[in-house]
Amino acid sequence: AQSVTQPDIHITVSEGASLELRCNYSYGATPYLFWYVQSPGQGLQLLLKYFSGDTLVQGIKGFEAEFKRSQSSFNLRKPSVHWSDAAEYFCAVGARGYQKVTFGTGTKLQVIP
Amino acid sequence: DAGVIQSPRHEVTEMGQEVTLRCKPISGHDYLFWYRQTMMRGLELLIYFNNNVPIDDSGMPEDRFSAKMPNASFSTLKIQPSEPRDSAVYFCASSEAGGGDEQYFGPGTRLTVT
Repeated sequence: AQSVTQPDIHITVSEGASLELRCNYSYGATPYLFWYVQSPGQGLQLLLKYFSGDTLVQGIKGFEAEFKRSQSSFNLRKPSVHWSDAAEYFCAVGARGYQKVTFGTGTKLQVIP
Repeated sequence: DAGVIQSPRHEVTEMGQEVTLRCKPISGHDYLFWYRQTMMRGLELLIYFNNNVPIDDSGMPEDRFSAKMPNASFSTLKIQPSEPRDSAVYFCASSEAGGGDEQYFGPGTRLTVT
């Protein structure tokens, strides 16, 4: 069965600082990997996804993530955080031909001035 | 497109009452998902449909929960009877195709059972 771990429950960064959110997955074959963002009171929105090919994936809002098979990781990064990035971020794993996606427990990002 | 529409946005009910949550997926999307989000358990998949047919309901917590999709533009999640531990935010999501395609989430229904 597929699973995903987000080890950081809560992260605080200063506006303008760089950001990295960690995600580790467990799956026997090549996974489909996703990052979603949830603003307060809203549903989840897709930031980016990895299916195959280039292991560095660009997403919306200036985010990127890198798939590292050797480390079973798919960390999310942003070079300079904006106050509007404060939200909860979910990593998710899926599989080819299998519609269910398993979500991590989320990392809540706080941005301070 | 208006996106995934859920109603009501907030529901407060008393224990033992029947609760019905509604969802309209994005037109043309073949898959529909129901999730539950709580602080303790995070985001859990309850059930999903493909072309209006339930495919996997292994996440439905117990027989008090039921879901239907009578047509491609409407789905319901019903809880009968409701209990305080059912208090959560319930999300509906839809996607165009299988294989891990992007899921589009609705704004959610916040359910409080007193």
